[in-house]
Amino acid sequence: DIQMTQSPSSLSASVGDRVTITCRASQTIGTYLNWYQKKPGKAPKLLIYAASSLQSGVPSRFSGSGSGTDFTLTISSLQPEDFATYYCQQSYITPRLTFGGGTKVDI
Amino acid sequence: QVQLQESGPGLVKPSETLSLTCTVSGGSISSDYWSWIRQPPGKGLEWIGYIYYSGGTNYNPSLKSRVTISIDTSKNQFSLRLTSVTAEDTAVYYCARNSLQLARAFDLWGQGTMVAVSS
Repeated sequence: DIQMTQSPSSLSASVGDRVTITCRASQTIGTYLNWYQKKPGKAPKLLIYAASSLQSGVPSRFSGSGSGTDFTLTISSLQPEDFATYYCQQSYITPRLTFGGGTKVDI
Repeated sequence: QVQLQESGPGLVKPSETLSLTCTVSGGSISSDYWSWIRQPPGKGLEWIGYIYYSGGTNYNPSLKSRVTISIDTSKNQFSLRLTSVTAEDTAVYYCARNSLQLARAFDLWGQGTMVAVSS
């Protein structure tokens, strides 16, 4: 079973800050790593797929990198609407699709 | 554009069966994988399982003994059945599409439906 570990679990930041969230897989998953933004009362929103590909319509301040076991989501300049919880997720499978524990970004 | 909408009871009694349906509109269900995901209050996201349009399934091993996902391509719907529910199954349940073109990422989601397990 592939475990996904995100860090930090929460962080405080200000508008305009550069924010980095990391995600580590317990075994290699190539680039089968996706990032989501979750706001209360809303469905998760896909930001990044295949580790570094920006989903259509997502602002370019979001970027992803990494391969194998270590991955990063970066927000280059935090905007007010970016305060949310972020989840990584592996789509390599074996035997289940798994999410990280989440990173809450607040003011 | 393609939209997903969950439907089903918001309250289920302990030991009974939770049943939800996801209706896909604006596109065909006859491609990609279709998943159910849940989020208990105050907790993270948990994948329940997916079904391929041809009927093949894959379930979370921790729920496998209680879960059945089925598909009705004629109605553009897929469904979730979770048996013998307990309070631990209380959650917001989402249906979502795993896009084969996007490395099986969940690119489309329903709005979610809250299901409480209580007598």
